[in-house]
Amino acid sequence: EIVLTQSPGTLSLSPGERATLSCRASQSVSSSYLAWYQQKPGQAPRLLIYGASSRATGIPDRFSGSGSGTDFTLTISRLEPEDFAVYYCQQYGSFFGQGTRLEIK
Amino acid sequence: QVQLQESGPGLVKPSQTLSLTCTVSGGSISSGSYYWSWIRQPAGKGLEWIGRIYTSGSTNYNPSLKSRVTISVDTSKNQFSLKLSSVTAADTAVYYCARVWMVRGAVGWFDPWGQGTLVTVSS
Repeated sequence: EIVLTQSPGTLSLSPGERATLSCRASQSVSSSYLAWYQQKPGQAPRLLIYGASSRATGIPDRFSGSGSGTDFTLTISRLEPEDFAVYYCQQYGSFFGQGTRLEIK
Repeated sequence: QVQLQESGPGLVKPSQTLSLTCTVSGGSISSGSYYWSWIRQPAGKGLEWIGRIYTSGSTNYNPSLKSRVTISVDTSKNQFSLKLSSVTAADTAVYYCARVWMVRGAVGWFDPWGQGTLVTVSS
């Protein structure tokens, strides 16, 4: 079982700033089989990124994913007010990281 | 587009079996190469994958829950279901169903998700 560790646990930034969220796997994730989700309070998670770097349909281009092997990154280039939420990485088909809370500073 | 909706009792007594159904609309559960999955989230905590099923009936479960979980599919009703036996307060959570995309023969990402349903385990 691959364990995904996300950091930081909480990230405090202001609108307009750049956010960098990390997801580290305990062993190599084959073929970049990694996805990212955004979850707002009271809502189901929403797919943002699949294949480590491909944006899902309708996701703004300020969201980007990168990485391979054991280290993956979700970057939000310029934070909008609606981007403050919890973000999860996920190894394809199963386990999730523990989440990073992105809060307004 | 495909939409998913969870349904079932919101309150289950300890030691009993939790039963939920996910109804798929906007497309056939049998069309395309998809798995169908259950995920849960205790209040204020992260996401826990429970298991998944293919329309052939093939299943995979989270090892930590495997002894208590059964996922089944009813293609005639365009539904799949979750049963979790011997529940305790630790099973109190929002339960989500989701479609699982396949990529190069491997299971992939979850999209879309149902809105989720809260199940409370309490006497």
